Amino acid sequence: ETGVTQTPRHLVMGMTNKKSLKCEQHLGHNAMYWYKQSAKKPLELMFVYNFKEQTENNSVPSRFSPECPNSSHLFLHLHTLQPEDSALYLCASSQDSKAGAYEQYFGPGTRLTVT
Amino acid sequence: RKEVEQDPGPFNVPEGATVAFNCTYSNSASQSFFWYRQDCRKEPKLLMSVYSSGNEDGRFTAQLNRASQYISLLIRDSKLSDSATYLCVVNRGKTSYDKVIFGPGTSLSVIP
Repeated sequence: ETGVTQTPRHLVMGMTNKKSLKCEQHLGHNAMYWYKQSAKKPLELMFVYNFKEQTENNSVPSRFSPECPNSSHLFLHLHTLQPEDSALYLCASSQDSKAGAYEQYFGPGTRLTVT
Repeated sequence: RKEVEQDPGPFNVPEGATVAFNCTYSNSASQSFFWYRQDCRKEPKLLMSVYSSGNEDGRFTAQLNRASQYISLLIRDSKLSDSATYLCVVNRGKTSYDKVIFGPGTSLSVIP
């Protein structure tokens, strides 16, 4: 049973809409991540938050805006998306420390379709 | 050259077979390594971490060769339920907020 939940599971939106994806982790982890998985492509890391501070932004377009209000919640705000943004968006969390990297636990993902 | 490369497959093997996957990485500073599995239309799930000394978990054995910059996953006595995509994951640095790179995955189908 995954300790990372995501809502909604499916989302269809037009290019002019604004929507938000939500992720919540119940594992007491201190790092959270957003990934994009397009068909037949590897997972792409989008954003990393560690102790609520954004530590990585992999040149993601500004139409994607992350928010991390606390260590358990992560949002991805979407606006004026393009059809090529249609993908599976996965949230993950891990218990990170400077001693080493630990495995990430993924949520079930939000399957996004932009029309 | 991609930072993490895997043979995409698909690997089609009969039940009971032994199958091995390799993954190569280009950054010699990479510190941590993992194998994940991803079922169709599901999220990735950790299969096992890969340690320098090699490690085994039941039918699964992972090996790391730092000199040649590759990791491997061996599955013995394949089951139908092993059918999935296997993802090699490399952490460029010590912490997860250093670059995390997922390989493209290797597809495995175990056939009755």
